This record gives sequence, C-alpha cells and structure tokens, in this order.
Amino acid sequence: GIQVEQSPPDLILQEGANSTLRCNFSDSVNNLQWFHQNPWGQLINLFYIPSGTKQNGRLSATTVATERYSLLYISSSQTTDSGVYFCAVLGGSYIPTFGRGTSLIVHP
Amino acid sequence: NAGVMQNPRHLVRRRGQEARLRCSPMKGHSHVYWYRQLPEEGLKFMVYLQKENIIDESGMPKERFSAEFPKEGPSILRIQQVVRGDSAAYFCASFTTGNEQFFGPGTRLTVL
Repeated sequence: GIQVEQSPPDLILQEGANSTLRCNFSDSVNNLQWFHQNPWGQLINLFYIPSGTKQNGRLSATTVATERYSLLYISSSQTTDSGVYFCAVLGGSYIPTFGRGTSLIVHP
Repeated sequence: NAGVMQNPRHLVRRRGQEARLRCSPMKGHSHVYWYRQLPEEGLKFMVYLQKENIIDESGMPKERFSAEFPKEGPSILRIQQVVRGDSAAYFCASFTTGNEQFFGPGTRLTVL
C-alpha cells in the first residue's frame, strides 16, 4: 500500500509564528485531505486537495502530485491551532492511508 | 444538513462483554469507513462499507469484530468479547464516491 510520511512529528510555536507541515506519499494518489484533530479529539476537515493550491483564511495547502508531496501552511498561528494535523491519501485502491501526524503546540 | 453522527460518544465495557458502535452518515452519503485510533497514534483503516455491502474488511481483526451497513438505519461496528486491547477511539467517516470524507465525533471505548 501507499506509505505516507509527515514531518515534522512535533512542532512548538509562539503565537503569531508561521509554519509549514509536509506530507510525502509513495505513489500516485486520487485523493488527499488534510485534517486537524483538536485537543478534544474531533477531526476537522481542512482541505480536500488532490492537486493544486487552496487557501482558507490563515491556512493554505499545496499538493504537487507529480512529486508526491503536499504542504500545509499555517500563518499567524493562534493557540486554537494546537492539536494534531493529519494528511490522508487514497490511491488506486479505496483504502485510505493516514500519516502519523504532526503534533502542534502554540504557546501564547 | 446534519453531519456524521456517532453514538455513544463514550462506552465502558467489562472484559468479555459486547460493544456496539453506531454511525449515521451525512445525508446523501452511502459509503462509510470505520477507523481505530490508539492513543498518540494515527487512524488505522478497519472496514469500508456501502449500503448492504462490505467492500473491504482487510483492516479489521478476523475474530470478534464485525460491521454492517443495512439498507435502513446506521452502520454498526460490533466487537464481541471485548479485551483491554480494544480500548481506543473508533471513528467513522462518510463520503460519496471519489469525494472527501467527513468524520463523526468518534466513540471512545474503555474496557475495564
């Protein structure tokens, strides 16, 4: 199956800082999503982005499918951005694969 | 437009009992994934269901675990004779073919 690697595994920021999270995948994908799991455990959809670039407020994402990676940008981070960010991909099969996530802590 | 619903949100069982977890997909969605998440880990695929069909159950343990998605009503993940190692958060996600998946709030199972 497809391998998904996320980096960095852990990230600590001061409020207001910017960050870039990376998701590498081992094969071509039909579907890629970014999720935020908040400290209460809920999974929140951020982006559905199999290719191209999207922006939503302070967050944006870019997927370069030909080079098998996706980036999630967080600008002007806030304490409410804390949590774990997951990348999930769907390749030729219909079985989704999640990365291990990036754990983000934003200090006030 | 209601999102994905799961119940119960928290479930406590003693070893040997049965656990039944329910998932109602978003309106218009006929596909469901079930996942298991252990503490400090990512989500692991368990089973892919369509209405009245199990499409792929390769991620589900062969024994004690079963899943269904009947024509009417929610999808059910059933764990028989639970053991302590079954303690985890169980999430379902619904979607339409080829589109993005949306998650329910999860069921946190604790086995005493």
